[in-house]
Amino acid sequence: SQQGEEDPQALSIQEGENATMNCSYKTSINNLQWYRQNSGRGLVHLILIRSNEREKHSGRLRVTLDTSKKSSSLLITASRAADTASYFCATARNYGQNFVFGPGTRLSVLP
Amino acid sequence: DVKVTQSSRYLVKRTGEKVFLECVQDMDHENMFWYRQDPGLGLRLIYFSYDVKMKEKGDIPEGYSVSREKKERFSLILESASTNQTSMYLCASSLGWDRDFTGELFFGEGSRLTVL
Repeated sequence: SQQGEEDPQALSIQEGENATMNCSYKTSINNLQWYRQNSGRGLVHLILIRSNEREKHSGRLRVTLDTSKKSSSLLITASRAADTASYFCATARNYGQNFVFGPGTRLSVLP
Repeated sequence: DVKVTQSSRYLVKRTGEKVFLECVQDMDHENMFWYRQDPGLGLRLIYFSYDVKMKEKGDIPEGYSVSREKKERFSLILESASTNQTSMYLCASSLGWDRDFTGELFFGEGSRLTVL
């Protein structure tokens, strides 16, 4: 069974709006990572948050982690058409380096 | 610029053919992974390797094998391709646990395989 599940499955917003995606997971983690995938391409690492962190920022990205609820959220502020992509959260199983990915959130940013 | 290179972006094969997907990384990474990606299912791990000549089964190893003869190269082999192996295949690599416990993954561009 999948460890990470993103929500919503698809999201469509206007340029300039904020986009929020959520991820839930099932077991203990030492870190959670978010990746981005442009259509037909490989995944690119966006940001990592460790289990002892609650919030992290990187440019227009803000990630939160709630280990008590086993959930994380990714916020993209002031979205641009170029942010159109699929976004995945990934968690490591058993504190190892074997990651599990959810099905992703497909974000469409309309100009 | 660090890179994970997959040999073929697009392949079309016939049922029963033997298929090789090659992946090379230039980052001196210990770990290498093969995932397949299907709509609605996300990425599923096929095999991974923590070291040369080492391999571990992932979640869906049936119908696949792998080879890691050199640190930089990890090959995925479909011994007898079937139509249900039509998919996008993604190779990834990461530093070993003793060098980076976060396990950040670096992905190739993917190989889209169609089996007719």
